[in-house]
Amino acid sequence: AQTVTQSQPEMSVQEAETVTLSCTYDTSESDYYLFWYKQPPSRQMILVIRQEAYKQQNATENRFSVNFQKAAKSFSLKISDSQLGDAAMYFCAYNEPNAGKSTFGDGTTLTVKP
Amino acid sequence: GAVVSQHPSRVICKSGTSVKIECRSLDFQATTMFWYRQFPKKSLMLMATSNEGSKATYEQGVEKDKFLINHASLTLSTLTVTSAHPEDSSFYICSALPPGKRYEQYFGPGTRLTVT
Repeated sequence: AQTVTQSQPEMSVQEAETVTLSCTYDTSESDYYLFWYKQPPSRQMILVIRQEAYKQQNATENRFSVNFQKAAKSFSLKISDSQLGDAAMYFCAYNEPNAGKSTFGDGTTLTVKP
Repeated sequence: GAVVSQHPSRVICKSGTSVKIECRSLDFQATTMFWYRQFPKKSLMLMATSNEGSKATYEQGVEKDKFLINHASLTLSTLTVTSAHPEDSSFYICSALPPGKRYEQYFGPGTRLTVT
């Protein structure tokens, strides 16, 4: 079974600074999708960024970017110019190909200090 | 973007009663929906995959007779917690998979269930 590991239960960052959240995963598949989701206090899951495993280029979405290392099975999220609204729980997730369902990591709670 | 709703957002029920949670895809048809359970400050645990017109596929360890899932239409899946116990208290989240998108699931806002 696939597993997703987030080794940082909590992280904090100063406003306007950069922070990196770590994620590793285990799979025997070659085709899959990886995601970072944000869950603010409202509990609504929000997609932050998506990476297709067949793409070598790292995905970016404005202030959010990933470092995807397929051989190392690593998928970290970098948040640049952190804002107070970035404070939330962040989940790394792996999607099985052709199944749609996700396996989630345990989450990292990010605190942004003003 | 695609919208998924859940109803109710919060529900309190007494032990031994049953409670139904609805998950609706508002602007797209979803042949597949997922039900997750989340404990406070914990991860989402997949409970089951709901397929329109067929039986749900439950994850290992999830009691299918306790957590009844019905996906009667392309826009509605329901989760019924039967004979609820306090340990069933949790946050339940559904997601819907648009047709042709094998990975892009859209999440509902969740339902807080408290069993007294």
